[in-house]
Amino acid sequence: KQEVTQIPAALSVPEGENLVLNCSFTDSAIYNLQWFRQDPGKGLTSLLLIQSSQREQTSGRLNASLDKSSGRSTLYIAASQPGDSATYLCAVRTNSGGYQKVTFGIGTKLQVIP
Amino acid sequence: EAQVTQNPRYLITVTGKKLTVTCSQNMNHEYMSWYRQDPGLGLRQIYYSMNVEVTDKGDVPEGYKVSRKEKRNFPLILESPSPNQTSLYFCASSLPGTAYNEQFFGPGTRLTVL
Repeated sequence: KQEVTQIPAALSVPEGENLVLNCSFTDSAIYNLQWFRQDPGKGLTSLLLIQSSQREQTSGRLNASLDKSSGRSTLYIAASQPGDSATYLCAVRTNSGGYQKVTFGIGTKLQVIP
Repeated sequence: EAQVTQNPRYLITVTGKKLTVTCSQNMNHEYMSWYRQDPGLGLRQIYYSMNVEVTDKGDVPEGYKVSRKEKRNFPLILESPSPNQTSLYFCASSLPGTAYNEQFFGPGTRLTVL
């Protein structure tokens, strides 16, 4: 059974800092890994998706990497801003006997202090 | 506008009273899924569907039913709701397979079972 862990559970940084969020998974037979952000009481906003054959994806100040063999992904946020404050979730889509199950981590709650 | 819609957005009901939460997408996606989100447990997959008439259990299917009679709709049915099903529910859709299959999420349905 796929298990996804996100470290740290919470992070507080001053504005302008670069930061790294971590996601690890136990089953490397994945189709892809997707990073989301979720604001309090809101839905999920997709940030980046990395296919299993890719090593990284970039969008603006965000860069996500994937090391499938070691079961790890990182989300790098450059020059953090107060508007980046949210919970960040990673989700892994796994091949499960021909079907495709999705497993989420519990998330990292980020606070960027002005 | 490409989107996933859910109805109702908020629902308060009583134990044992059957209810249905609807989910619809306009992106012609084959893959659809239901999740519940609980504090400290994150998002957990309830059921998913690879295509019309093809559904499978996620990690927490007990107490739920789904059907996929049309590609665009994937209702979640609670035949006899109980208080432990009080949660925030999300529907999502994507393309299946190993193609670029970013998940798109609905806005969520907050369910309270008294």
